[in-house]
Amino acid sequence: DAKTTQPNSMESNEEEPVHLPCNHSTISGTDYIHWYRQLPSQGPEYVIHGLTSNVNNRMASLAIAEDRKSSTLILHRATLRDAAVYYCILRGLITNAGKSTFGDGTTLTVKP
Amino acid sequence: EAGVTQFPSHSVIEKGQTVTLRCDPISGHDNLYWYRRVMGKEIKFLLHFVKESKQDESGMPNNRFLAERTGGTYSTLKVQPAELEDSGVYFCASSSVGNEQYFGPGTRLTVT
Repeated sequence: DAKTTQPNSMESNEEEPVHLPCNHSTISGTDYIHWYRQLPSQGPEYVIHGLTSNVNNRMASLAIAEDRKSSTLILHRATLRDAAVYYCILRGLITNAGKSTFGDGTTLTVKP
Repeated sequence: EAGVTQFPSHSVIEKGQTVTLRCDPISGHDNLYWYRRVMGKEIKFLLHFVKESKQDESGMPNNRFLAERTGGTYSTLKVQPAELEDSGVYFCASSSVGNEQYFGPGTRLTVT
């Protein structure tokens, strides 16, 4: 399975944008890039996913490099409730659609 | 709409005993997944149901673990007999046709 690499931790100030990077140099052509986050004592929560084009939703934006070997999750205005562990994972559309390893993720700390 | 629910939220059993975890997916979701995080490790995929059929059970650690999804609705994960290394948090997730998975809050299993 293709692996992803993320920084262990990042800090942000409240109300400021946050850019969370992810490297996935061995991504295959059919792998989607997914982002989940996990708040303390909760299960992972879906954030966003994409294939090639940049994606926006109510929670965040996903910027995907042209060669697809890296991506960046963008939180436009961090709030204290965004403090969580953010996971970047690769997942096929049909085959291996559920089989994914979350990795260690990036622990985001948001300072007031 | 109710989310994914898991029962119990916490279970403490002795080594050698049996424990059964239950997951109720979001109504109408054909895909159901089990994951777990053992102490200090990352979240790992265990298996994937499509309706009542096991699509992928390659992540099941050994034959002490048995997952069922009779009728294609709720699922159970039985551990028999439980060992110390089985302690951790067991997550269930469900999805419809798309890639977005909805996770439950998890069951914390402690084997003493």
